[in-house]
Amino acid sequence: AQSVTQPDIHITVSEGASLELRCNYSYGATPYLFWYVQSPGQGLQLLLKYFSGDTLVQGIKGFEAEFKRSQSSFNLRKPSVHWSDAAEYFCAVGAVTSYDKVIFGPGTSLSVIP
Amino acid sequence: GAVVSQHPSWVICKSGTSVKIECRSLDFQATTMFWYRQFPKQSLMLMATSNEGSKATYEQGVEKDKFLINHASLTLSTLTVTSAHPEDSSFYICSASGDTYEQYFGPGTRLTVT
Repeated sequence: AQSVTQPDIHITVSEGASLELRCNYSYGATPYLFWYVQSPGQGLQLLLKYFSGDTLVQGIKGFEAEFKRSQSSFNLRKPSVHWSDAAEYFCAVGAVTSYDKVIFGPGTSLSVIP
Repeated sequence: GAVVSQHPSWVICKSGTSVKIECRSLDFQATTMFWYRQFPKQSLMLMATSNEGSKATYEQGVEKDKFLINHASLTLSTLTVTSAHPEDSSFYICSASGDTYEQYFGPGTRLTVT
């Protein structure tokens, strides 16, 4: 069955500290992977995506993620968190074909201590 | 590029009435559109997938007679919540994809049924 897990429901970090949000997936086909961020009451903003090629992908706002096929993981990282990064983060996975639906993980809520 | 809009952004309706939500791709042709529902502090749940000119494909457990989806053109899909009840109150998000398999998300519509 296709699924996405984000083991951490909620994470709190201090401003300036490093961050890693975990994402594991189960997908029968070659996956393409996304990380989205959502502020309260807002839509989704794409942080980064992985389709193929270099397994370390760079995104917006200083985020990066590394695809590890052997571990079925796509963890999101940021070296120094800013207070404005406090939001809900969703990992998502889809198949590398057109029109296929994307499956979202349950989300990780990030709080940042000033 | 790749902008998706939703209208309205917020709607309040009385129980028993119907409400229509529009999803538009502003600068590309969306061959496929997706409708998601999000409850507070939860992830996005796919409701249905619609391809232009054909009937929508609903996910298991979604009442097709209650959530009417129309994808009449390559830039517009509508979701009509019929005979709305308070339990239909939620955040509805659409996304659209065109020639590539990347989905572009709208800003969401908050529906409150009183």
